[in-house]
Amino acid sequence: GAVVSQHPSRVICKSGTSVKIECRSLDFQATTMFWYRQFPKQSLMLMATSNEGSKATYEQGVEKDKFLINHASLTLSTLTVTSAHPEDSSFYICSASVRVNQNIQYFGAGTRLSVL
Amino acid sequence: AQSVTQLGSHVSVSEGALVLLRCNYSSSVPPYLFWYVQYPNQGLQLLLKYTSAATLVKGINGFEAEFKKSETSFHLTKPSAHMSDAAEYFCAVGSGNTGKLIFGQGTTLQVKP
Repeated sequence: GAVVSQHPSRVICKSGTSVKIECRSLDFQATTMFWYRQFPKQSLMLMATSNEGSKATYEQGVEKDKFLINHASLTLSTLTVTSAHPEDSSFYICSASVRVNQNIQYFGAGTRLSVL
Repeated sequence: AQSVTQLGSHVSVSEGALVLLRCNYSSSVPPYLFWYVQYPNQGLQLLLKYTSAATLVKGINGFEAEFKKSETSFHLTKPSAHMSDAAEYFCAVGSGNTGKLIFGQGTTLQVKP
């Protein structure tokens, strides 16, 4: 149980285009999902917390107009990187929380974004 | 504020040897603590978690960790390393009702034949 599917696993796009990444909880409902960014050989950096039916909460320094997050249902959250530039190239990982008050999160397999 | 420190960014052991990955935490409230493993180009897989029950926690793949409040530590161990254990390991502390996790910098485990 507790499977999180993230799609696509890899995407290459041209500078200036937008890219959407989907995160789905397959066998449970997740009121809260999280989006992380991971640079090579580094830890995960929390970008935002996504709650179903409400606006996402962004961490300090994360541009909310650049990284649009939508959590329209209890099983789906999306991250859209708008007007992507090479510096947005990174590994993006989502997670879904089963029990928020116990901080238990299950992670997707990640999306490797390369902006040319 | 909560934080996690993983001592040693890189640990190398021989196959069959003991694995010890160190994690110290700082938390003003009773913490929830986690160990995750990440294989290249993949997401994180939960190895084990401490949520205020038994202090010795057993996880998957033969790993276990012991919560020591007096030492603010949650070190990860495995009696005998396998080649398949080579990966990146992250310790994390839960920040309470927000559901957020704060991750350590990670430790790369290398297993030599």
